[in-house]
Amino acid sequence: AQSVTQPDIHITVSEGASLELRCNYSYGATPYLFWYVQSPGQGLQLLLKYFSGDTLVQGIKGFEAEFKRSQSSFNLRKPSVHWSDAAEYFCAVGANSGYALNFGKGTSLLVTP
Amino acid sequence: GAGVSQSPSNKVTEKGKDVELRCDPISGHTALYWYRQRLGQGLEFLIYFQGNSAPDKSGLPSDRFSAERTGESVSTLTIQRTQQEDSAVYLCASSFEAGTYNEQFFGPGTRLTVL
Repeated sequence: AQSVTQPDIHITVSEGASLELRCNYSYGATPYLFWYVQSPGQGLQLLLKYFSGDTLVQGIKGFEAEFKRSQSSFNLRKPSVHWSDAAEYFCAVGANSGYALNFGKGTSLLVTP
Repeated sequence: GAGVSQSPSNKVTEKGKDVELRCDPISGHTALYWYRQRLGQGLEFLIYFQGNSAPDKSGLPSDRFSAERTGESVSTLTIQRTQQEDSAVYLCASSFEAGTYNEQFFGPGTRLTVL
């Protein structure tokens, strides 16, 4: 069975600082990996996804993530955080033969001035 | 175009009552998913519809939960005899086709509070 762990429940960064949100997954085969963002009162929005190929994927809003098979990780990064990035971030894994996603518990990002 | 919509946005009910939650998927999307998000938890998969195929109900937590979808349109999630542990945000998502590789578009959710 697939599972996802997001070790950090809350993260606080200063505006303009770099950001890295951690995600570790457990899955026997090559996983499909996703990062979603949930802003207050909004539905989840897909930031980026990894299926195969280049292990560094670019997403929307200046985010990127790197798939590291040896570490079973798919960490999300952004070079310079903006106040509008404050939100809940979810990592998810899916089977390439399935359809439902398994989500981590999320990381809440607070951005300080 | 219009995204996934859900109604009501908030629902407060008394323990033991039945509730119905509605989801309008994006037009043309054949796959529809229901997830539950409890406070401080990730999303839990509940049920999945693909076209006119039999739904995958493997994630429903009990027989008090049921869902219907007519064709490729609106879906209704029904919770009978609600319990306090049913309090959560219920999220609906749709995708163009089935399969993890198809992006799931999420609605804003229905926040259910059971008193």
